[in-house]
Amino acid sequence: NAGVTQTPKFQVLKTGQSMTLQCAQDMNHNSMYWYRQDPGMGLRLIYYSASEGTTDKGEVPNGYNVSRLNKREFSLRLESAAPSQTSVYFCASKLTQGGQNYEQYFGPGTRLTVT
Amino acid sequence: KNQVEQSPQSLIILEGKNCTLQCNYTVSPFSNLRWYKQDTGRGPVSLTIMTFSENTKSNGRYTATLDADTKQSSLHITASQLSDSASYICVVSSSSGTYKYIFGTGTRLKVLA
Repeated sequence: NAGVTQTPKFQVLKTGQSMTLQCAQDMNHNSMYWYRQDPGMGLRLIYYSASEGTTDKGEVPNGYNVSRLNKREFSLRLESAAPSQTSVYFCASKLTQGGQNYEQYFGPGTRLTVT
Repeated sequence: KNQVEQSPQSLIILEGKNCTLQCNYTVSPFSNLRWYKQDTGRGPVSLTIMTFSENTKSNGRYTATLDADTKQSSLHITASQLSDSASYICVVSSSSGTYKYIFGTGTRLKVLA
């Protein structure tokens, strides 16, 4: 049981390049999330997916797209990277069922630098 | 505006000592409050979760308290260890709205031998 896995761990991009961050979970969770973490700020929600086939914008969605490929996988795409997207990106997943307060599990993060 | 504020920003203590971290929030309507531990270079890991009706919860040497009336929470660490060196993040969940999880900026704790 690997939990939440993310690839790659580190990435350096030039301005304008594109890339996809991958996330997978093996806990059969229905909800998945993408956050970014910047110095001096709390984690901010980029996009989330409440269930397979659905995605919704979070607090800071501009410049990103997501795909919920299946129940396990939720990818984040930067179409044209900008220096402002330099950050640490975290994927998380959670079981959402009957209004219960289940724990959110985080992946190890992807450290992205855009030059 | 929904906000979560944590204090202090950073803290240095000696191994074996106790410490208390603070979290004040203005999130409404309130659903639950969680404390996470984030080691350097890792993702956050949940320590405790408390709902409106709970005013204390323990997880080993970690004890969280919640005062829903004053909208304050604290995380008390007893007999600190070097492995407690990490950032501690307070997260408040709202029962309405799109951005249901509001994260604090964290308290960075360093435990010295």
